Amino acid sequence: ETGVTQSPTHLIKTRGQQVTLRCSSQSGHNTVSWYQQALGQGPQFIFQYYREEENGRGNFPPRFSGLQFPNYSSELNVNALELDDSALYLCASSPVGGENSYEQYFGPGTRLTVT
Amino acid sequence: GQNIDQPTEMTATEGAIVQINCTYQTSGFNGLFWYQQHAGEAPTFLSYNVLDGLEEKGRFSSFLSRSKGYSYLLLKELQMKDSASYLCAVRDRTAGNKLTFGGGTRVLVKP
Repeated sequence: ETGVTQSPTHLIKTRGQQVTLRCSSQSGHNTVSWYQQALGQGPQFIFQYYREEENGRGNFPPRFSGLQFPNYSSELNVNALELDDSALYLCASSPVGGENSYEQYFGPGTRLTVT
Repeated sequence: GQNIDQPTEMTATEGAIVQINCTYQTSGFNGLFWYQQHAGEAPTFLSYNVLDGLEEKGRFSSFLSRSKGYSYLLLKELQMKDSASYLCAVRDRTAGNKLTFGGGTRVLVKP
């Protein structure tokens, strides 16, 4: 069974640029959630996708957007990068969305640095 | 909204017991999770409580009181490898069942 994978591992971007982060869900999982984790803090929920539709969103501006593909892999796009966007971005997949969603399996994360 | 509080840091000795408390306020409670996160790594699932009481899993136990908005994670027979951050997270059915995390408690195990 393949776990959750994310790419790239590390990324350095300049303020104002755009970035795309990728996530492959664990086999059999159709729900993916994205989190932003600043240094020394807990993860903050960005949004969740279930069967290719956005299924909940946290308190993040519209320049944070996402996609989920038919194979349940997912992308997080961030436009007009700001210095405060520097963080670890975590993707988590779970087998079922909604009321019965249970354990979330986290990927290793992408460390984004904005200079 | 939701508010989740847990201590920032705790120190304990190898072989001892440590209890990490978590208090929360949420309108549509639908489960509480504990995760372990080693520095530079992804969080890994430890436990899940949705009903009141104690859930035991080897050296780790988690307790929940919904009426008090309170949970704790108990780590017994501490080992050096238990040095990590421990994250409390609450799921809220009125917020699309999203997980809201506390800031994490960094536990340092000393020899």
